[in-house]
Amino acid sequence: SAVISQKPSRDICQRGTSLTIQCQVDSQVTMMFWYRQQPGQSLTLIATANQGSEATYESGFVIDKFPISRPNLTFSTLTVSNMSPEDSSIYLCSVESPARGSQETQYFGPGTRLLVL
Amino acid sequence: QKEVEQNSGPLSVPEGAIASLNCTYSDRGSQSFFWYRQYSGKSPELIMFIYSNGDKEDGRFTAQLNKASQYVSLLIRDSQPSDSATYLCAVIQGNTGKLIFGQGTTLQVKP
Repeated sequence: SAVISQKPSRDICQRGTSLTIQCQVDSQVTMMFWYRQQPGQSLTLIATANQGSEATYESGFVIDKFPISRPNLTFSTLTVSNMSPEDSSIYLCSVESPARGSQETQYFGPGTRLLVL
Repeated sequence: QKEVEQNSGPLSVPEGAIASLNCTYSDRGSQSFFWYRQYSGKSPELIMFIYSNGDKEDGRFTAQLNKASQYVSLLIRDSQPSDSATYLCAVIQGNTGKLIFGQGTTLQVKP
């Protein structure tokens, strides 16, 4: 499976500011995904990021709030803009990669733990 | 109806017992099913995937799929305290290809 890193691993931010989260993969992948996991909740897909095209956002998430870049096949960023305490969450990057020679499956990065005061 | 449903638990089992985790899904077109384990403060880790009806075994883990009943389960044999975690069931939607997660079941294995 792919090795995925995220920066920062955690941050505490003031409301109204923005934070950019980086996701780096050790191999080229077509599909990259950004998820949010709010405290005590499961994972919710924010958007799918494909290299060379605009990100596709899920219902309830908009580009102005969560702009995404995908400049190449190993890297993506997610920005959380104009933050409020409700944005406090874990943000997870994932990629599709073959699972031991079988179908593509998703593997997750270590996550970014964000607290907005 | 939620697309992927799990009992949130906690499910408590003694060390050495079999832990049985269950998941139902609503989309009959779903073809791919996954179990992730998430330790507190960590990200989800893939432990099993299953595509065909029946059982699939990997070490102490067995995934079971029944597409007619829209039911997926994960059995953990000889449960260990280190198995204590939240187990997330995930299903790829048939029409969108998106990975949809259940709420997760918290497993506690008591020494």
